[in-house]
Amino acid sequence: RKEVEQDPGPFNVPEGATVAFNCTYSNSASQSFFWYRQDCRKEPKLLMSVYSSGNEDGRFTAQLNRASQYISLLIRDSKLSDSATYLCVVEITYKYIFGTGTRLKVLA
Amino acid sequence: GAVVSQHPSWVICKSGTSVKIECRSLDFQATTMFWYRQFPKQSLMLMATSNEGSKATYEQGVEKDKFLINHASLTLSTLTVTSAHPEDSSFYICSVLRDRSKTQYFGPGTRLLVL
Repeated sequence: RKEVEQDPGPFNVPEGATVAFNCTYSNSASQSFFWYRQDCRKEPKLLMSVYSSGNEDGRFTAQLNRASQYISLLIRDSKLSDSATYLCVVEITYKYIFGTGTRLKVLA
Repeated sequence: GAVVSQHPSWVICKSGTSVKIECRSLDFQATTMFWYRQFPKQSLMLMATSNEGSKATYEQGVEKDKFLINHASLTLSTLTVTSAHPEDSSFYICSVLRDRSKTQYFGPGTRLLVL
């Protein structure tokens, strides 16, 4: 089993749709969790950290479920500019493990 | 504004050449920086952890004599790909670690093409 797993997609959704991604992790000692966004041929950019209580930033909501060992990202009212690959990152004692990413395409 | 800079952004070189990539933390001092490599359609693979003032920690399978890392100051780490070969062609990305939040900020990456 991979340490961090994501559905590679692609998720093709119309503009305005709500889309959710999940990411599962295998090590229960994982301490910090992040969602990054990576555009084609660019570096990853931090989207948001994920906290146990859940957190929201505009149209984006992240949740952490430690019992089931997964994190989620919800995007509401999708925009064309949201098209990208979304990377889940899990940290254990300053070792960062990346998922392979979920590709999102928002269609006009 | 940018938190991390990388230079150069593009390198095309002949096989056997050594290539040096610089990673600079612009906003804060970074005791820890990471070097990643990403092949097309794959995720980032950690190559090594660069610690200021000490030797880098390399991931399994990464040759330390091939990929030389120097982290001589709190704002600069360098990766030198020695005697580059075509299979070393990749997207090399550095990141700096903000200790308080454990958040990584990535540089814009360096595309290396070895002919």
